[in-house]
Amino acid sequence: QVQLVESGGGLVKPGGSLRLSCAASGFTFSDYYMSWIRQAPGKGLEWVSYISSSGSTIYYADSVKGRFTISRDNAKNSLYLQMNSLRAEDTAVYYCAREVSEWEPTGAFDYWGQGTLVTVSS
Amino acid sequence: QSALTQPASVSGSPGQSITISCTGTSSDVGGYNYVSWYQQHPGKAPKLMIYDVSNRPSGVSNRFSGSKSGNTASLTISGLQAEDEADYYCSSYTSSSTPYVFGTGTKVTVL
Repeated sequence: QVQLVESGGGLVKPGGSLRLSCAASGFTFSDYYMSWIRQAPGKGLEWVSYISSSGSTIYYADSVKGRFTISRDNAKNSLYLQMNSLRAEDTAVYYCAREVSEWEPTGAFDYWGQGTLVTVSS
Repeated sequence: QSALTQPASVSGSPGQSITISCTGTSSDVGGYNYVSWYQQHPGKAPKLMIYDVSNRPSGVSNRFSGSKSGNTASLTISGLQAEDEADYYCSSYTSSSTPYVFGTGTKVTVL
């Protein structure tokens, strides 16, 4: 069965860095676009970034552009999010999610991880 | 890119039908047939309920249906059940520099 397991969250000071990981299993990871989506405490969902199956196409939300870097290692079935220059407003549960379609990104995510909490506070 | 607009809350009695709206612009909802809907129970990850405006993933009850007219998409839940009480979010592909946008979210209460 498809599984996505995030790790790497925690408490970090403003200006600090954190690297999130998402371990995928139960499907051919290298065939799918993947995204990171976050949810601040008590707030709605916010799409953060996506990466194509090969890693050649990447997009970011304006709120994280220049500070976050998405990457993947298809040999390790893993997705990553390097977060630098963290701000209080980056505090959220971060989910990795798989696109429904293998062929094109449409923003429909059929599998989600359980999420990892990132707290940015001094 | 601004979030898509959803009503903050919608309620209904068991067995009734309710509809949640999701309003965007011609650059997102109105311009593409890539609208999705998610259900989220407290403390849980979102679950895909509808994609590409009206398609249901395998395993999702046929009580859930989606549609779109102009710049507004809708999710209808028929035969409302207690387990449908949750937060619901729409999302859409967009032509902006940020390719995806979520809605503001709607809390569904079963009376």
